[in-house]
Amino acid sequence: DVVMTQSPLSLPVTLGQPASISCRSSQSLVHSDGNTYLNWLQQRPGQSPRRLIYKVSKRDSGVPDRFSGSGSGTVFTLNISRVEAEDVGVYYCMRGTHWYTFGQGTKLEIK
Amino acid sequence: QMQLVESGGGVVQPGKSLRLSCAASGFTFKTYPMHWVRQRPGKGLDWVSVISDDGGGQFYTDSMKGRLTISRDNSKNALYLQMNSLGLEDTAMYYCVTGDFRLWGQGTQVTVSS
Repeated sequence: DVVMTQSPLSLPVTLGQPASISCRSSQSLVHSDGNTYLNWLQQRPGQSPRRLIYKVSKRDSGVPDRFSGSGSGTVFTLNISRVEAEDVGVYYCMRGTHWYTFGQGTKLEIK
Repeated sequence: QMQLVESGGGVVQPGKSLRLSCAASGFTFKTYPMHWVRQRPGKGLDWVSVISDDGGGQFYTDSMKGRLTISRDNSKNALYLQMNSLGLEDTAMYYCVTGDFRLWGQGTQVTVSS
């Protein structure tokens, strides 16, 4: 089974400062069709998860451009260029193809 | 707008069954595979099951295999999850999600308690 490992698990950040979350998979996420199905999700307190990024670096509609995704193969990163108060929540990376697997989650809080 | 609305959760005794439903609207439901994902209290996300767009293929997480049946009715834009032999460890929020994980419902809470 593919294991998705995120770090850090807790991320205190000062408003306006950048933040970075790492995600590593135990196997390459490159699919046979050539795409890499790595998603990033955001779950704000008391809300359902929301997809932010798909296929490593493609931002979903309505997602601020301060969010960006990068990486390849087994190593991926979610970057927030300048953290805002509304970014507080838990961020998950996940493998977007079968067998679907989520990382443990990274809790972002304001310092 | 695109929307998923789950229902059917509640408090159930150990060993009992429950059927969750998800009503889809605002998109062409029959063209999307659909997932169920759960989140135990204070924990992360766990993938539970997926069904193909035409309902012909289903997959389940190993931890619940044999106790679940996922199904859909494309004429009603509806997704279902039949859960049997529920245990305390099945207490969670259950989310209905589109195949690409782009759209999530608000979730339905399942609490297994004696």
